[in-house]
Amino acid sequence: GAVVSQHPSRVICKSGTSVKIECRSLDFQATTMFWYRQFPKQSLMLMATSNEGSKATYEQGVEKDKFLINHASLTLSTLTVTSAHPEDSSFYICSARDGTSGHTDTQYFGPGTRLTVL
Amino acid sequence: AQKITQTQPGMFVQEKEAVTLDCTYDTSDPSYGLFWYKQPSSGEMIFLIYQGSYDQQNATEGRYSLNFQKARKSANLVISASQLGDSAMYFCAMREPAYSGAGSYQLTFGKGTKLSVIP
Repeated sequence: GAVVSQHPSRVICKSGTSVKIECRSLDFQATTMFWYRQFPKQSLMLMATSNEGSKATYEQGVEKDKFLINHASLTLSTLTVTSAHPEDSSFYICSARDGTSGHTDTQYFGPGTRLTVL
Repeated sequence: AQKITQTQPGMFVQEKEAVTLDCTYDTSDPSYGLFWYKQPSSGEMIFLIYQGSYDQQNATEGRYSLNFQKARKSANLVISASQLGDSAMYFCAMREPAYSGAGSYQLTFGKGTKLSVIP
C-alpha cells in the first residue's frame, strides 16, 4: 500500500513556541491531504483539508491562525502549531488521499506526531 | 446524531477464534464508502478494508471481511483466526461527499473498539 511519512514523530516544546509537523506521501502524489487530531482514548477529529496549491479548509472550531497549513507540493503538507499551549498537546495525524486508487479513494495515514507542550 | 456508531468500547477474543466488530452508520446520501482502520499502540492508522455503497458483494481482504447489510446500515468487520498482533483499536469510518465546500472525500470516524486477543 501507499506510504505516508510524518516528521517528527514526537516533539516536546515550551509554551509559546511554534512547532512544524511535516507530512509526506512517499510513493504517490496526493492532491488532498487531511490533518486530524486525536486525544487519548478518543477518535480522530478532522481539523482541516489541504489541497495542493490552495488554501486549507478548516473544520468548524479550528483556529486557522493557530494551526497553519501549507500544501506546497503534491507530496508535502505541513502543519504549524503557532504559540503552542499545554491544551494543544495531542496526537496529530495526517492522511493523504490516493486519487489513483480507483473507486476506493483510500486515505493513507502517517504514523502520527505526539506533541507535548510544557 | 452520530454518523458512525461503534457500540463495543472493548472486545476480547481467544487466539485463533473469529471476532465481529460492530459498526452502524447514518447517511442519506446514496453514494458513500465505508472503511475499517486498525490503530495499534504505536498510533499509526492502518487501512484494512473498504466497502462501497454500490458494491454488490461483501469486501474481503485476507483474514478481514466486511459484513455489509445496507438495509440495516451496518458494516461489521469480521476478523477470522485472530492473532495476538490483532490486538489494537479498530475504527470504522465513512466517506461521503461534502456539500459545505470544505472539500470532498472527508472521513468521519466512529469512537473505536479496543480488541484484545487472549493467548
